[in-house]
Amino acid sequence: DQQVKQNSPSLSVQEGRISILNCDYTNSMFDYFLWYKKYPAEGPTFLISISSIKDKNEDGRFTVFLNKSAKHLSLHIVPSQPGDSAVYFCAASAGNAGNMLTFGGGTRLMVKP
Amino acid sequence: NAGVTQTPKFQVLKTGQSMTLQCAQDMNHEYMSWYRQDPGMGLRLIHYSVGAGITDQGEVPNGYNVSRSTTEDFPLRLLSAAPSQTSVYFCASSFSSGLRAGYGYTFGSGTRLTVV
Repeated sequence: DQQVKQNSPSLSVQEGRISILNCDYTNSMFDYFLWYKKYPAEGPTFLISISSIKDKNEDGRFTVFLNKSAKHLSLHIVPSQPGDSAVYFCAASAGNAGNMLTFGGGTRLMVKP
Repeated sequence: NAGVTQTPKFQVLKTGQSMTLQCAQDMNHEYMSWYRQDPGMGLRLIHYSVGAGITDQGEVPNGYNVSRSTTEDFPLRLLSAAPSQTSVYFCASSFSSGLRAGYGYTFGSGTRLTVV
């Protein structure tokens, strides 16, 4: 059973608008969360992370929100740009699992000009 | 350029053949891992290593072997290829403390493997 789920396989957004990508997890031991971005024929690249002691982390146009009680996190991209079109993976780590990451299935974001 | 280098980029194997996917990093990272990416399933951990001489199994280790004789290299061996191993394989590395320091993993560009 997948411990990290991204229920929307794809999302289409107009340039300049907000993109919201969602992620749910089931393992209550997860205490650190990351988002990765992946372009075709490339490896994933690290985007932003959040610790469970926070509920929000911001880096430029990217903000990650964490709702621990709902076991839910989201990535907001404002404003969305065509270059943001990629597959986004949510990942989680448990404190007792060292550097191991569990990934979600990914969401393909398409930003239309 | 510093980073994670994977070779080959593409490979076609016949069922039953064996091969080694190469992974090398020049960042002196202690932690290295192998993932496979399949449609809708995201990235699943095959094997990982926390340092030279130390390896362990991930979520989907069956049919794969690894070793870590140096800090830089972490090859993945397919012992007897099966069509179910058709996938894109990614190698990743990080400092042991890097993940929670906000640096995440550094990934290679992947190896696309087809088993016929």
